[in-house]
Amino acid sequence: GENVEQHPSTLSVQEGDSAVIKCTYSDSASNYFPWYKQELGKGPQLIIDIRSNVGEKKDQRIAVTLNKTAKHFSLHITETQPEDSAVYFCAASITSGTYKYIFGTGTRLKVLA
Amino acid sequence: DTGVSQDPRHKITKRGQNVTFRCDPISEHNRLYWYRQTLGQGPEFLTYFQNEAQLEKSRLLSDRFSAERPKGSFSTLEIQRTEQGDSAMYLCASSLALRGTGELFFGEGSRLTVL
Repeated sequence: GENVEQHPSTLSVQEGDSAVIKCTYSDSASNYFPWYKQELGKGPQLIIDIRSNVGEKKDQRIAVTLNKTAKHFSLHITETQPEDSAVYFCAASITSGTYKYIFGTGTRLKVLA
Repeated sequence: DTGVSQDPRHKITKRGQNVTFRCDPISEHNRLYWYRQTLGQGPEFLTYFQNEAQLEKSRLLSDRFSAERPKGSFSTLEIQRTEQGDSAMYLCASSLALRGTGELFFGEGSRLTVL
């Protein structure tokens, strides 16, 4: 069935270093890939997204890359700051007649000051 | 605040009781989703509505679960005869998508604890 795998499950980096989170999706019909940040006790918030007709997208310190052939997409955070500490989820949108999102299992990012 | 709102934020109940959660989406959004999130996991799709029509239900949504969205506005998720395995965060999200896929806006969630 539809599946999104996410790695690593936890990631600790020093403040100012870069962080990379990787996801793999199974359904080749997926064409929309959002990334969400979830802070403790709050709902997920969209931080960046990419559509399948684009290979890379950047927004200040955050970038996402997509490799459709390999069905991989990645989140890159540069110059990390303590406020980047949170759980990050990737997702893939299955558009074969529905618009549900399948989420990865999450990556807990800890930025050490 | 014009975001997605959910009520109640926390609910503690005894096994066998019924519970109902309410979600008020962003007013102009046509799609409304319910997800369930357990500790350390990503949100799992339960069901979604386009306007008032419930278009898809996950197999995770057993017969004890029912969701409605009368008049295409707010939605309710009812769980009958709760079980301890129902303990989770229930997240509601809405989106505006005239065609294709739109950004999901999540509420803060309703945390259910079944004793």
